[in-house]
Amino acid sequence: GAGVSQSPSNKVTEKGKDVELRCDPISGHTALYWYRQSLGQGLEFLIYFQGNSAPDKSGLPSDRFSAERTGGSVSTLTIQRTQQEDSAVYLCASRPAAQQYGYTFGSGTRLTVV
Amino acid sequence: AQSVAQPEDQVNVAEGNPLTVKCTYSVSGNPYLFWYVQYPNRGLQFLLKYITGDNLVKGSYGFEAEFNKSQTSFHLKKPSALVSDSALYFCAVRPLNSGNTPLVFGKGTRLSVIA
Repeated sequence: GAGVSQSPSNKVTEKGKDVELRCDPISGHTALYWYRQSLGQGLEFLIYFQGNSAPDKSGLPSDRFSAERTGGSVSTLTIQRTQQEDSAVYLCASRPAAQQYGYTFGSGTRLTVV
Repeated sequence: AQSVAQPEDQVNVAEGNPLTVKCTYSVSGNPYLFWYVQYPNRGLQFLLKYITGDNLVKGSYGFEAEFNKSQTSFHLKKPSALVSDSALYFCAVRPLNSGNTPLVFGKGTRLSVIA
């Protein structure tokens, strides 16, 4: 597609439920990144993929968070047993192989845990 | 490890006046530096980047930024602010030639341009 697409745009879930957030990157972009934007906290790196592999999972805040990417394209971020502190905007970005390019971000998924 | 500091949470400027949004960074070796802007309920949009070459970088919407290696700064500037420039601005850094190392972002500076 023309841009990075994220779904859903908004998600309200009850504490303790699992949620899946989807990111569809720009076609041909090999690198994909997930960030979390909390109020007043800036952007917190979560995980990135090069193709289907995730060489850097260092930013995942707990073992309740996981992510996968299939076919070198769509990625899913899963949060199990959601907690109120998980409420944030989850942003996905993709980048082509050439290093000098910046990221293209999606519009994000606003997650609210009640 | 790399880091970015944006010392001002909020910058207010009158329309037509010059604006500056400050950014300092810490990185091993030479940096890639970026500025992004976020409008309400939108993702981040790329404004400009510094890789090598001229220290003054020009970007979208009339913005520019000056790389200062000795001060490890990359301040964002615009000669004449518009009300439509009101948004959240993020500075980001990663080491040059670091493969897919993720960008590290500052906490953001909210710019408010008053008519």
